[in-house]
Amino acid sequence: ELKVEQNPLFLSMQEGKNYTIYCNYSTTSDRLYWYRQDPGKSLESLFVLLSNGAVKQEGRLMASLDTKARLSTLHITAAVHDLSATYFCAVRASGNQFYFGTGTSLTVIP
Amino acid sequence: EPEVTQTPSHQVTQMGQEVILRCVPISNHLYFYWYRQILGQKVEFLVSFYNNEISEKSEIFDDQFSVERPDGSNFTLKIRSTKLEDSAMYFCASVSGFSGNTIYFGEGSWLTVV
Repeated sequence: ELKVEQNPLFLSMQEGKNYTIYCNYSTTSDRLYWYRQDPGKSLESLFVLLSNGAVKQEGRLMASLDTKARLSTLHITAAVHDLSATYFCAVRASGNQFYFGTGTSLTVIP
Repeated sequence: EPEVTQTPSHQVTQMGQEVILRCVPISNHLYFYWYRQILGQKVEFLVSFYNNEISEKSEIFDDQFSVERPDGSNFTLKIRSTKLEDSAMYFCASVSGFSGNTIYFGEGSWLTVV
């Protein structure tokens, strides 16, 4: 089974600061996803990264993918309270299966 | 925006009872999934379904679980004899095809076993 690990698991940051969440996975994959989840809610798709070196940005979030290192990052720029949520990465394995990371619980403090 | 719908949104059941969770995937999608998320934990893969059969299942998906797509639209997850540790949010998801880039998730079904 493909292993997907995120760090940190918990992140508390002040508004206006920058930080990066890391997602490592154990075997080759051709696509990586980032999701946001608010408490008690479903998973909201943020980014789909399809190739080595892919970078996507939406607002204060930017995701990148290094398939050789099996690493994706989610960078938060000038955090605001509305970004408080849990962020998951997910990786596609063979047979069109998708495995999720451990999640990063982000709290942005005013 | 197409969507995956799930029912019920919340169900409370007694230990040992059977539960059926229902999902209506997006109509032209080919791959269907059930995931489980215990409160505060990660999203865990249970089972995938393609071409009217299970394509892969995890260790969690033991003999008490089953899935079927009885009428070509609904995709159901049955838990035969619920245990306390089955309490979780269950998410249904679908993907259009092997090249599909987006996984569409339903809103989830909260199952509480008492």
